[in-house]
Amino acid sequence: QVQLVESGGGVVQPGRSLRLSCAASGFTFSSYTIHWVRQAPGKGLEWVAVISYDGSNKYYADSVKGRFTISRDNSKNTLYLQMDSLRAEDTAVYYCARGDDYYGSVRHYGMDVWGQGTTVTVSS
Amino acid sequence: QTVVTQEPSFSVSPGGTVTLTCGLSSGSVSTSYYPSWYQQTPGQAPRTLIYSTNTRSSGVPDRFSGSILGNKAALTITGAQADDESDYYCMLYLGSGLRVFGGGTKLTVL
Repeated sequence: QVQLVESGGGVVQPGRSLRLSCAASGFTFSSYTIHWVRQAPGKGLEWVAVISYDGSNKYYADSVKGRFTISRDNSKNTLYLQMDSLRAEDTAVYYCARGDDYYGSVRHYGMDVWGQGTTVTVSS
Repeated sequence: QTVVTQEPSFSVSPGGTVTLTCGLSSGSVSTSYYPSWYQQTPGQAPRTLIYSTNTRSSGVPDRFSGSILGNKAALTITGAQADDESDYYCMLYLGSGLRVFGGGTKLTVL
């Protein structure tokens, strides 16, 4: 079945770095855009970043631009989020989510499959 | 900065119909924003209900429908059930690869 599994979360000090991973299975990973979405404790969803099917295009929310880097390894069916210069306000559950099929006939610009999330806590 | 607005909370009676909306702090929501809707219960990952304004995601019952009402996107739930009690988020595509979520609506079924 279609599945996304996040890993790499943990507790990290402000200013330090962390890399999250998202392992995909059950579909042709290399055909899809993939997103990162986060949710701070008790807060709503926040879109973080998206990467195109081939990694050639990447877009970020203003809140993370210049600090976070999204990337993918299609040979490993894995998405990454490199988070640098972490701040307390980056504390959240981070979800990866599947976007459009590049080879599909219609674009929907949303997400259809979600992982279960990995928790990042930025604290001294 | 673009702000997406949603009702903070709403209540509906079991079996009733409720319409949640998704607007913009300035301007109108149209199909060009490809509005999508997500349901989330506490401690769980979001679940996709609707994308591209009115296309139901796989497995979503037809009690859930999406539309544009006036200058907002809308999610209508007919025949509300107890397990529809959740947080509902809309998301808009702003162009140039960017997306933004609304603040969410907490739906109570009572």
